Amino acid sequence: EDKVVQSPLSLVVHEGDTVTLNCSYEVTNFRSLLWYKQEKKAPTFLFMLTSSGIEKKSGRLSSILDKKELSSILNITATQTGDSAIYLCAAGWDSNYQLIWGAGTKLIIKP
Amino acid sequence: DGGITQSPKYLFRKEGQNVTLSCEQNLNHDAMYWYRQDPGQGLRLIYYSQIVNDFQKGDIAEGYSVSREKKESFPLTVTSAQKNPTAFYLCASSPGGTSNIQYFGAGTRLSVL
Repeated sequence: EDKVVQSPLSLVVHEGDTVTLNCSYEVTNFRSLLWYKQEKKAPTFLFMLTSSGIEKKSGRLSSILDKKELSSILNITATQTGDSAIYLCAAGWDSNYQLIWGAGTKLIIKP
Repeated sequence: DGGITQSPKYLFRKEGQNVTLSCEQNLNHDAMYWYRQDPGQGLRLIYYSQIVNDFQKGDIAEGYSVSREKKESFPLTVTSAQKNPTAFYLCASSPGGTSNIQYFGAGTRLSVL
């Protein structure tokens, strides 16, 4: 059965800390791994990683795909209170447009 | 402004009532999706459509129905057969092709009176 597992489910850190969020996947005909940030409402797209793009960076956020270990990490450095959110990971298939979603990591940044 | 519009933001359903959630996109995307999100859980797929006049059931389609008569619109009806409808409902769209990226509306929070 295809699945995506995120860890930890929740995390509380202080402002300025660095955090690493984990995502592992078992997906037949895997094509891509996506990260989203969800604050109060709509998830917003952060990164998409594929075999041709296994590392992405945007400001304090970066993500790496490890195709050997079937996993990905999302790093946030110098965290700010505005980084508090649920971070969702999803895996996409090669043959259709669907995504399979992890349960999310709830990140709380304390001032 | 291009995007996905969901309405209403909040909706209350009485027992035995059907309610319809609206989702409109002006991104010219082929694929559209409906998800249900419960506290502490990820997104669960209700229905999806890859082309006009065609749609497929997702993992939790029972008690829900959809239509796709226009490319821009993908309304979701929560029927009285759905016994636990209280949740946050998200609509998404995707250009398809080689991109798996989905873009989301702001969601509708449905509660039962």
